[in-house]
Amino acid sequence: DAKTTQPTSMDCAEGRAANLPCNHSTISGNEYVYWYRQIHSQGPQYIIHGLKNNETNEMASLIITEDRKSSTLILPHATLRDTAVYYCIVRVAVITGGGNKLTFGTGTQLKVEL
Amino acid sequence: KAGVTQTPRYLIKTRGQQVTLSCSPISGHRSVSWYQQTPGQGLQFLFEYFSETQRNKGNFPGRFSGRQFSNSRSEMNVSTLELGDSALYLCASSLRGQSTDTQYFGPGTRLTVL
Repeated sequence: DAKTTQPTSMDCAEGRAANLPCNHSTISGNEYVYWYRQIHSQGPQYIIHGLKNNETNEMASLIITEDRKSSTLILPHATLRDTAVYYCIVRVAVITGGGNKLTFGTGTQLKVEL
Repeated sequence: KAGVTQTPRYLIKTRGQQVTLSCSPISGHRSVSWYQQTPGQGLQFLFEYFSETQRNKGNFPGRFSGRQFSNSRSEMNVSTLELGDSALYLCASSLRGQSTDTQYFGPGTRLTVL
């Protein structure tokens, strides 16, 4: 799986949009971008994933650049409960043979403040 | 639909003992993966089971083992515990075990080795 680079930490004011960047310059054409977050000492929570197009769900939006070398996770109206470590992961889309392994980096510690 | 459950949530053992952790996947999910999280090494993949067979394995010693039952429930075992095995052990399940499937994590089991 391609390696990702994320800032170590970010701060965001409550109610504002949180934009979390991720660089994956060695990503291949068949690799998906996944985002998870982990609130202190809990299990990681799935947020969103995408291949080429921008994606949006009830939690967040994922913007992937046209060359796919970077992406941004957007939490539109951050709350204190969004304080967590956010992990950007790229995964090979292998249809057969399995391969259900996530390779986590160090992630971005997002702190949402009043 | 109930999420991934892990038991016990907390465990204290002493060096040299062995421990068994249990994971019940989301109903209908057939793939179960295990991860270890420590402050020093972060989140690391241990192994994955699909249809009662270990399909992928991370870089951990043979003291770490697991199995999966016909109902997709999984257990992992650590023998001859060492202090360094103190960690949060996470279980994740996915539907078909394909690498395009989203993995959903349980709350984890916090193991402390004294």
